Amino acid sequence: NAGVTQTPKFQVLKTGQSMTLQCAQDMNHEYMSWYRQDPGMGLRLIHYSVGAGITDQGEVPNGYNVSRSTTEDFPLRLLSAAPSQTSVYFCASNTGGQHYNEQFFGPGTRLTVL
Amino acid sequence: AQSVTQLGSHVSVSEGALVLLRCNYSSSVPPYLFWYVQYPNQGLQLLLKYTTGATLVKGINGFEAEFKKSETSFHLTKPSAHMSDAAEYFCAVSPGGYNKLIFGAGTRLAVHP
Repeated sequence: NAGVTQTPKFQVLKTGQSMTLQCAQDMNHEYMSWYRQDPGMGLRLIHYSVGAGITDQGEVPNGYNVSRSTTEDFPLRLLSAAPSQTSVYFCASNTGGQHYNEQFFGPGTRLTVL
Repeated sequence: AQSVTQLGSHVSVSEGALVLLRCNYSSSVPPYLFWYVQYPNQGLQLLLKYTTGATLVKGINGFEAEFKKSETSFHLTKPSAHMSDAAEYFCAVSPGGYNKLIFGAGTRLAVHP
């Protein structure tokens, strides 16, 4: 199993550009999440999904879109990048049913918006 | 609202010394509590978790944590630090609802010879 994979590892954007951060998992997990990590703030939940076709907002959803067309994939879209979106982004997945199940994290995407 | 406070953004210990990383939480419901570790340029890895039952929880790499409801704390300890323990450690609480982990700001642990 590859676990949770994310691409790209690094990305530099200009203000106003759009891009998609890719996330895939091969563990057949129902639940997937996107977090951003900023210095001194820990990880904050952006969006999450409890299954294919179902998504919901987390703590900091503004400026980001998600969709979940398959169990395996959960892309995060930045429609018009802003410098405030400079961060490290982590995708995570876990089995459904109980909220204390372990979340498995990908290696992260480091995004810089100029 | 649930929240997590980690006391000390940086902790430095000598190799072989006790590691103590502090975590306090607030939760209106019985919490589920977690410690994650992040090694440089990697994702997060679960160290241990408390759900119900025994309040002293043992995790990987010799770490353990004790849930103290009266103190709303979940401090992480390791009796003897190793150089390989240098990493950033995050305490998190699950307030109920799927996938909603609330993280603390993190504590960076440095281990020196």
